[in-house]
Amino acid sequence: EAQVTQNPRYLITVTGKKLTVTCSQNMNHEYMSWYRQDPGLGLRQIYYSMNVEVTDKGDVPEGYKVSRKEKRNFPLILESPSPNQTSLYFCASSFSGPSYNEQFFGPGTRLTVL
Amino acid sequence: DAKTTQPPSMDCAEGRAANLPCNHSTISGNEYVYWYRQIHSQGPQYIIHGLKNNETNEMASLIITEDRKSSTLILPHATLRDTAVYYCIVRVKWRSSNTGKLIFGQGTTLQVKP
Repeated sequence: EAQVTQNPRYLITVTGKKLTVTCSQNMNHEYMSWYRQDPGLGLRQIYYSMNVEVTDKGDVPEGYKVSRKEKRNFPLILESPSPNQTSLYFCASSFSGPSYNEQFFGPGTRLTVL
Repeated sequence: DAKTTQPPSMDCAEGRAANLPCNHSTISGNEYVYWYRQIHSQGPQYIIHGLKNNETNEMASLIITEDRKSSTLILPHATLRDTAVYYCIVRVKWRSSNTGKLIFGQGTTLQVKP
């Protein structure tokens, strides 16, 4: 089944404790992206990757890191989480360029930073 | 990406057609109309997209006016599971960078009632 998976789905952590949220897709998509969703602010893009080893900042990259060492994986790293990073996070993937039609989203990771 | 305007909320009776409008008066000739939905904090789900012709798939139909300044998403027989926030997004299909970035507005909350 074609899908985007995220782990963990739920996470409660404390300020400053490094964490990684994993994202994996099985559709051979070039493009992957991270969004966060907050009440009243909608979905905002954090980082994106056009292909392996190619990443760039989205609209709200502060406090986050990403890497794209393999085509299928795009982990989101919070080196020193803070309470304002409490949010619902979504990973997404798609083909890029002229092959783009639709974007596939993961089920979400609900993060709470105390 | 062209700006879109959607009503904040709509109700629909179960089994009836749900018609969700979207205004995009500044749409450019090469911009497509995409529809996604988000069911209660799940990852957004692609529904349908179109350029100028009406489109239909197993989920919905998309009717785009001849001047392309507005469109309507039609769910022909709404069920309770169609209760969700529906997003209308206008964008070019292909960008040379950040191909997949989606700008989600506030969307329309569709409540399907028994």
